Amino acid sequence: DIVLTQSPALAVSLEQRATISCKTSQNVDNYGISYMHWYQQKPGQQPKLLIYEGSNLASGIPARFSGSGSGTDFTLTIDPVEADDIATYYCQQSKDYPYTFGAGTKLELK
Amino acid sequence: EVQLAESGGGLVQPGRSLKLSCAASGFTFSDYYMAWVRQAPTKGLEWVASISYDGGSTYYRDSVKGRFTISRDNAKSSLYLQMDSLRSEDTATYYCTTDWGIAAISPLFAYWGQGTLVTVSS
Repeated sequence: DIVLTQSPALAVSLEQRATISCKTSQNVDNYGISYMHWYQQKPGQQPKLLIYEGSNLASGIPARFSGSGSGTDFTLTIDPVEADDIATYYCQQSKDYPYTFGAGTKLELK
Repeated sequence: EVQLAESGGGLVQPGRSLKLSCAASGFTFSDYYMAWVRQAPTKGLEWVASISYDGGSTYYRDSVKGRFTISRDNAKSSLYLQMDSLRSEDTATYYCTTDWGIAAISPLFAYWGQGTLVTVSS
């Protein structure tokens, strides 16, 4: 199975930049496309797709969210952080079954 | 508007069965693989199973293989998860999600239902 590693938590101040990393145990690129996606989950809610294929912004997602990376190293950036962004963020690979998620990074206010 | 509505969760004893349903609307159901993703209380997300556009191919995580069966009825725009021989570790909120879209490059979980809670306990 492909293992995705995320830091458990990140403390950030409002209006500052948050950088969340995700490292995979195997390359998740396929013919130049990263099969890496990012989701946001707030307490009591279902997850929401933010970024797909490494760097593409999902429909309706604000431009302060961005994704980058390839191969085994990926980053989700929120700039600037707003109060509504306090949530848990998950990376997920769909290169191989079983599809796997990172353990999640909880974004907290400093 | 895409809507996914799960139902069928509840409290069940270990070793018993439960069947989850997901009613889809707002998109062409047969244009998507579909999947179930679960989340144990206070834990992270875990993919459970996926099914192809016509139901001809199914995929499972090892821990549910042989116990869970994913199926779909395109005429009813519905997805199902038959869960047999349930264990305490299957306790989780189960989400219905869209998977690989027919026009998409990669599989991804674009749309999610609100989830249904399954509790396995005696």
